[in-house]
Amino acid sequence: GQQLNQSPQSMFIQEGEDVSMNCTSSSIFNTWLWYKQDPGEGPVLLIALYKAGELTSNGRLTAQFGITRKDSFLNISASIPSDVGIYFCAGPEGGSRLTFGEGTQLTVNP
Amino acid sequence: DAGVTQSPTHLIKTRGQQVTLRCSPKSGHDTVSWYQQALGQGPQFIFQYYEEEERQRGNFPDRFSGHQFPNYSSELNVNALLLGDSALYLCASSPGTSGTQFFGPGTRLTVL
Repeated sequence: GQQLNQSPQSMFIQEGEDVSMNCTSSSIFNTWLWYKQDPGEGPVLLIALYKAGELTSNGRLTAQFGITRKDSFLNISASIPSDVGIYFCAGPEGGSRLTFGEGTQLTVNP
Repeated sequence: DAGVTQSPTHLIKTRGQQVTLRCSPKSGHDTVSWYQQALGQGPQFIFQYYEEEERQRGNFPDRFSGHQFPNYSSELNVNALLLGDSALYLCASSPGTSGTQFFGPGTRLTVL
């Protein structure tokens, strides 16, 4: 199956800073999804991207679907303590089975 | 509008036993997918059910089986449990097989 490479693996930032993380694939995806997962909980969908070049915002979060269809970026502006968690990128493979990246662990210091 | 629900929340079993996990999809969704998430890793696709049939399957042995009911709810069964089956089991639902998937809170399975 396809593999998604997500970076960085972890980030330690100060409250108020902006955050940027990305996801790359060796193959083309037609949809990119970004999820956030808190400890012991299921992933929560943050942003869904359906079109190459698309830029979509959800509050302080902005994500972009790369024009090559092989990458996507997630930015968080003015981080706050509740942004702490693991962020996953995911894409549907073979129709609808989601392939996930390994996640970016975000820590925000107040 | 209820989201995806799963039961039980936690489960402890011993090697060799069998387990059944349950999932109710989000209202309006007819497709259920199951994922296994080991500690520190991203979720891994197990299988997907639509119209009461298994439509896609990931790289999991036959010990993992499932079922979907007419009301779209689903069960995941795991037989002959191994220590390595300890994980968070996630259910996701979507409107159709290609729709965006929404996840439940998961069931934490511990095999001793």
